[in-house]
Formats: sequence, C-alpha cells, structure tokens
Amino acid sequence: EADIYQTPRYLVIGTGKKITLECSQTMGHDKMYWYQQDPGMELHLIHYSYGVNSTEKGDLSSESTVSRIRTEHFPLTLESARPSHTSQYLCASSELGLAGPLGEQFFGPGTRLTVL
Amino acid sequence: TQLLEQSPQFLSIQEGENLTVYCNSSSVFSSLQWYRQEPGEGPVLLVTVVTGGEVKKLKRLTFQFGDARKDSSLHITAAQPGDTGLYLCAGARGGTSYGKLTFGQGTILTVHP
Repeated sequence: EADIYQTPRYLVIGTGKKITLECSQTMGHDKMYWYQQDPGMELHLIHYSYGVNSTEKGDLSSESTVSRIRTEHFPLTLESARPSHTSQYLCASSELGLAGPLGEQFFGPGTRLTVL
Repeated sequence: TQLLEQSPQFLSIQEGENLTVYCNSSSVFSSLQWYRQEPGEGPVLLVTVVTGGEVKKLKRLTFQFGDARKDSSLHITAAQPGDTGLYLCAGARGGTSYGKLTFGQGTILTVHP
C-alpha cells in the first residue's frame, strides 16, 4: 500500500488568504506531482518534480507554486486564494521502473479546498 | 484536444450486469494504467498494461491493451454495488512527456443493488 499523505484533508478559507497544502511520501520516490480535479472529472497536472530542487509547471496553468527541498516533501502554496481556486488537489509520487518508465503513480487522499 | 478519450462518461447499471469502459487515443503509449477513485479520496491503481495485446485479469475485472498500444478497455463481469466509483485510464509516454501521465476524462459507474 502506498504511503503518501496530504494535509489538511479539507480547508475552507476566505479570499486573499495564503495557504500551503502539504504532501509527504515515505517511499523514497524521486518523482512527485500535483493535480487539480473537479468532482467526478479528469485530473489536470499543475506541477511536477523529478527530484530535490527540481520543479516544473504542468499542463494546466496554475497560480500556485511548489518547492522540493526534501525528497519526501512537496508542498503547494497559494499566495492569495480566490474562489476560482476551489477544487480538489491531489498529490502523487512515482518511481522509475527497472525496465523503463511504467508510469504508475501513487496518490494521496487529496485536499478539498473551498475559497469563500 | 483530449489525448485520451474515455467512454462512456456515465454508466448506471443494475447489480449483476456486465459492462465495458473504453479508453482510446491516436497516440501510442509505453504503458497504460487504470485507476478507481471513490468520492473524497485519491485514485487507487488497479492495473498497469505494458505489452500490445496484453490481457490482465483482476477477479471480475478484465483489462486489455490494444495491439498498437493506443487503446485499452476495462470489462467488469457481474457488477456489484462495491464497484461504484470513478474509473480513470492514464497513459505514459516517453520523450518530453517522460514521467508524466495523460488522463482520460473518467467514467462514473453506479451499480444499483
């Protein structure tokens, strides 16, 4: 079973607040990802990292930022939250398969963010 | 442009029925994963298929990867209410997309008792 954790699970805040969503994994995976997902819909990649001090923007433009100072930790920050940021944020990690990139990702439980 | 087209988007069936979900693309993938997600939780990996034409079975679930590695299907036999959830296919490619997954739109399955 994957060991990847996200906190908080639910967050309701007012417009303009700064927030940080936490993501940690204990599997030693080099690659980590942040996705944004509306209920019952597809996942959109917003950030990813291939290792410490490596961060890249994903396919969906996002006003959030990420950092990767430690292998196990990949926090996401919103400097000034807006109602348009209301969504579910999912963190994932993966490792390179021995025979090549199998691409399997392991997901955390997600953070449901509501900005009023 | 959606690289992975998943169909149907919604499926509502009675317990005991069979169903198939399709995942189609014009792109070739090095591997394809199927995930199941319950409300308020993250997706959970069901299976990975790697070889063209590969068939994998997981109890009542049968997964197939197309010969050309562009499409896949998930077949559930004798569906149960516990199968209810969002099913997502996701493809992995190499090159500049190395390490990233392309997700389909998802299929919301509801199995009624």
